Amino acid sequence: GAGVSQSPSNKVTEKGKDVELRCDPISGHTALYWYRQSLGQGLEFLIYFQGNSAPDKSGLPSDRFSAERTGGSVSTLTIQRTQQEDSAVYLCASSPRHRSGETQYFGPGTRLLVL
Amino acid sequence: AQKITQTQPGMFVQEKEAVTLDCTYDTSDPSYGLFWYKQPSSGEMIFLIYQGSYDQQNATEGRYSLNFQKARKSANLVISASQLGDSAMYFCAMREVAGSARQLTFGSGTQLTVLP
Repeated sequence: GAGVSQSPSNKVTEKGKDVELRCDPISGHTALYWYRQSLGQGLEFLIYFQGNSAPDKSGLPSDRFSAERTGGSVSTLTIQRTQQEDSAVYLCASSPRHRSGETQYFGPGTRLLVL
Repeated sequence: AQKITQTQPGMFVQEKEAVTLDCTYDTSDPSYGLFWYKQPSSGEMIFLIYQGSYDQQNATEGRYSLNFQKARKSANLVISASQLGDSAMYFCAMREVAGSARQLTFGSGTQLTVLP
């Protein structure tokens, strides 16, 4: 079946512009996560959605970052007034439900470059 | 405090030999899961293997096995019969069950290079 998809695969933007990154989770997966991976670094958690519950936004680095998930499926991560330090790969993952044994499956990522 | 520690930034192994990638973790939660992911140069994160904290047996998936030593809080990945296609970055990750955290916490990764 189809895996997690993300778009765009690459995005180049100018400092100060807003960007939207999209994630389409695996069908039927109720949990959705956004992570950020800066060059040569491990993954940093950003935000988590589980069903209709309020999202866990504890990883968002600033109020310029926001995310929503419509209809319990597709999610959009928005970065307002982008800064050069926002340049990174943004990875989305989904899992069937949030138990310790439920594996998170990752999409291919969006590579964001802020000039 | 760092929850996942991978002390080997880079490792080399000869093709067809076995290699162990180290991972230690820190948690006070009695229930947790440990994961290994592979990230080739293409950037995709590929799930390899999972070990639950209450699992009695070490997890195995094909050429991958997880050497789980709970008392030492280590979860090393063993890759047997290395192949050139195993060259990639490998990440150890943990998910705690208690509390509000549901996300994976990742280590800094180990870059594995398989030599022909």
